[in-house]
Amino acid sequence: TQLLEQSPQFLSIQEGENLTVYCNSSSVFSSLQWYRQEPGEGPVLLVTVVTGGEVKKLKRLTFQFGDARKDSSLHITAAQPGDTGLYLCAGEKNAGNMLTFGGGTRLMVKP
Amino acid sequence: GAGVSQSPSNKVTEKGKDVELRCDPISGHTALYWYRQSLGQGLEFLIYFQGNSAPDKSGLPSDRFSAERTGGSVSTLTIQRTQQEDSAVYLCASSLGSAGPYEQYFGPGTRLTVT
Repeated sequence: TQLLEQSPQFLSIQEGENLTVYCNSSSVFSSLQWYRQEPGEGPVLLVTVVTGGEVKKLKRLTFQFGDARKDSSLHITAAQPGDTGLYLCAGEKNAGNMLTFGGGTRLMVKP
Repeated sequence: GAGVSQSPSNKVTEKGKDVELRCDPISGHTALYWYRQSLGQGLEFLIYFQGNSAPDKSGLPSDRFSAERTGGSVSTLTIQRTQQEDSAVYLCASSLGSAGPYEQYFGPGTRLTVT
C-alpha cells in the first residue's frame, strides 16, 4: 500500500484540454513536492508546497496543498504535448530529509 | 553548475555477477539518496546518507545490496550476485540537507539489465 496515492495512474488527453492529478494520503506532511520525469531522465523538481492551503502557479500548472497538509493536486490548463511525462508527488514527513513518493501519473498529451 | 551525474548510464550483466553503480552529487550537497524505479513506476527508496551520520539503510531489499559514500561526496551502490528482479533504473539524488524543505535533485539514472 502506497503511503501517497496518486490518481489517475494513466491519463491520455488531447492538446488543449485541462486535467487534474491528485495526490492523497492519510498522513500529514511538512512539505510536498511535485516532479516531472521524461523517458531516460531523472525526475525534475517542479514545485514545493509547504503551507496548508497554499497555491502555487507555474505558467499553466497550478499546484495546491490541502488545508490539512495530507493531500495535493496538480492542475494543468490547456495541456501541450510538451507536458507529456510521468508526474510524481513526494511528501516530506517531520522535516527528516526523507521523501515518500507516490506511484506516479503517466500523462500523454496528443497533438 | 553541474548537476548530479551517474555512471554508467546503461549496464547489462549476467545473473550472478556483481555490479557497481556510481553517483556524483551536486557539490556542497550533504545528503545523498539512492532509489530504484521499475518500468516507469514510482520510486522505491533504497538508502540515504547525511553528512557523516550512519546511513539509513532501511530501504535496501536484501543483503546483496550495499552502498558507501566516500569523503562525503561520491557514492557507490553495489549489488552482489545479481538477480533478474534487480533489473530496473537506479536513480541517485542529492539535496542540501541543512534545512527543510529537502528538495532533491536527481541524476539521469543507471539502467540495469540482468540477463
